[in-house]
Amino acid sequence: AQSVTQLGSHVSVSEGALVLLRCNYSSSVPPYLFWYVQYPNQGLQLLLKYTTGATLVKGINGFEAEFKKSETSFHLTKPSAHMSDAAEYFCAVSPSGNTGKLIFGQGTTLQVKP
Amino acid sequence: SQTIHQWPATLVQPVGSPLSLECTVEGTSNPNLYWYRQAAGRGLQLLFYSVGIGQISSEVPQNLSASRPQDRQFILSSKKLLLSDSGFYLCAWKGGNTQYFGPGTRLTVL
Repeated sequence: AQSVTQLGSHVSVSEGALVLLRCNYSSSVPPYLFWYVQYPNQGLQLLLKYTTGATLVKGINGFEAEFKKSETSFHLTKPSAHMSDAAEYFCAVSPSGNTGKLIFGQGTTLQVKP
Repeated sequence: SQTIHQWPATLVQPVGSPLSLECTVEGTSNPNLYWYRQAAGRGLQLLFYSVGIGQISSEVPQNLSASRPQDRQFILSSKKLLLSDSGFYLCAWKGGNTQYFGPGTRLTVL
């Protein structure tokens, strides 16, 4: 069965510091991988996704993620954190098939300190 | 462009009362549709998905049900709410290989 593990339920960084949110997955087939962001009491917004092709994926708000097949990882990074980046971040993997179901990690809450 | 709506935005219901949450999608046809629940301090749990009108797949046994009476309408229901049904309910549609989420409904069962 496919699964997603996000290391660290809470991550705290200072404004301007590097953001690194970790995501590891297990999948028996080449997966589609996603990062979503959720602000309080809002739905999930797509940050970026990997399907095929270039393994370094750039998303919105200056975020990027790199698909590393050998490490089964899809870590999310941003060079310089802004206060507005404080939110909950979810990594997800999509099993193959037309249903398009997503399997989510448990989420990581990012705190940005001034 | 495509948009997804959910209502109500918030709902407070007593235990044992019925529930109906509605999700509609605009700007696309025959989308895959999904209902998720996000309980406090927990991740997202897929409840139901639908690949077409009248086609519902249940992921987790519980006292909730879903229906898809029209192509772009997805309804989540319950005959009798439990305290454990409290949470944030999210509807999503699938465009290409990506799911796009609605704004959510915050349900509190007292």
